[in-house]
Amino acid sequence: AQSVTQLDSQVPVFEEAPVELRCNYSSSVSVYLFWYVQYPNQGLQLLLKYLSGSTLVKGINGFEAEFNKSQTSFHLRKPSVHISDTAEYFCAVSDKGGAQKLVFGQGTRLTINP
Amino acid sequence: DADVTQTPRNRITKTGKRIMLECSQTKGHDRMYWYRQDPGLGLRLIYYSFDVKDINKGEISDGYSVSRQAQAKFSLSLESAIPNQTALYFCATSPGGGFGTQYFGPGTRLTVL
Repeated sequence: AQSVTQLDSQVPVFEEAPVELRCNYSSSVSVYLFWYVQYPNQGLQLLLKYLSGSTLVKGINGFEAEFNKSQTSFHLRKPSVHISDTAEYFCAVSDKGGAQKLVFGQGTRLTINP
Repeated sequence: DADVTQTPRNRITKTGKRIMLECSQTKGHDRMYWYRQDPGLGLRLIYYSFDVKDINKGEISDGYSVSRQAQAKFSLSLESAIPNQTALYFCATSPGGGFGTQYFGPGTRLTVL
């Protein structure tokens, strides 16, 4: 079984500042890793994913994440945020075989202040 | 048009009523999922289906049932709704062999009074 912990439930940041949203996971098998974003009153949209290979993954809207196998982490970063990045962000994992069910973290609400 | 649609988008009902939430997709994906989202808990899997004849329970299936009427349609039912089923419900789809990536509908906000 897998589990995901997002270490911050809320992150307030000033516009144009950098941000890091932290995600740790636990799994006894190899996993795929994902970050999804949920804008207000919308469904979830895939930001980026790690399947294999390079540990630095680039996604949409200037976001990137780094997979760290030894620390079982997959932190999301953006060097300069905008008001439009205000949203809830979810880290998720799925096993590589079989059902590939997604297991989500609790979510991190990112608030950008002008 | 959206690839994954959910109806209704909002629903208010009373305790004990039967409710059906519907999901349709035009992505041609075999796999479909139902999740519920609660504040501070993220999304939790209720049921998932790999094809019309393959339906599986997820993490929190008690109090829910599903029907896969066709490859493109997957419905979630609450046989007798209770207040703690008040939540945001999402349908998602995934292609077989798609490395786990799922595509989400816009959600249904359900309130049980």
